[in-house]
Amino acid sequence: GAGVSQSPRYKVAKRGQDVALRCDPISGHVSLFWYQQALGQGPEFLTYFQNEAQLDKSGLPSDRFFAERPEGSVSTLKIQRTQQEDSAVYLCASRRGQGAFRDTEAFFGQGTRLTVV
Amino acid sequence: AQSVTQLDSHVSVSEGTPVLLRCNYSSSYSPSLFWYVQHPNKGLQLLLKYTSAATLVKGINGFEAEFKKSETSFHLTKPSAHMSDAAEYFCVVTLLIMGAGNMLTFGGGTRLMVKP
Repeated sequence: GAGVSQSPRYKVAKRGQDVALRCDPISGHVSLFWYQQALGQGPEFLTYFQNEAQLDKSGLPSDRFFAERPEGSVSTLKIQRTQQEDSAVYLCASRRGQGAFRDTEAFFGQGTRLTVV
Repeated sequence: AQSVTQLDSHVSVSEGTPVLLRCNYSSSYSPSLFWYVQHPNKGLQLLLKYTSAATLVKGINGFEAEFKKSETSFHLTKPSAHMSDAAEYFCVVTLLIMGAGNMLTFGGGTRLMVKP
């Protein structure tokens, strides 16, 4: 497709359940980001990949959160033993380039809305 | 470290009147600055970006923003609001240095409401 695709669009999980969120970036994009957007707030950085390498995971809130991009294209964000505070929209973005943002735009997917009950 | 503050969480204007969404930033280095718009159930869309060229930046849908280093501001404006402008707007900052600060840092957002 032409844009960043995320699936599922909506996910309801019972507390304690594991979930996996998928991101298909734009083909050929080197950089991939995950963000968490709580209700009524701006997106907050979770992690960053350059190809298959996870260069920054400083934003992951706990060791229950894990992200991978094994072949440098599709990425999966996994949340183990979900808690109610994990309820948020999870956004994925990709960029053609790497490093500074001055030259290439970041394109965002529509996000996955996770609700933990 | 960089940060960004959007001074108004909600702004309400009448259709046809000017729009002003305020943003102040903090950055140790020369920043790149962006405005993104988020319509309900849609992805974030880039409105415009400042990357150290012209200080007055024109974007899509008639929006523009002016980078003022002395005031550390990057306010978003539009001369005449349209109903379709109603959305959430995010001011975003990132570092200009290659290879560093690869994340975008978002402000808290401003919800723009347009009254008929």
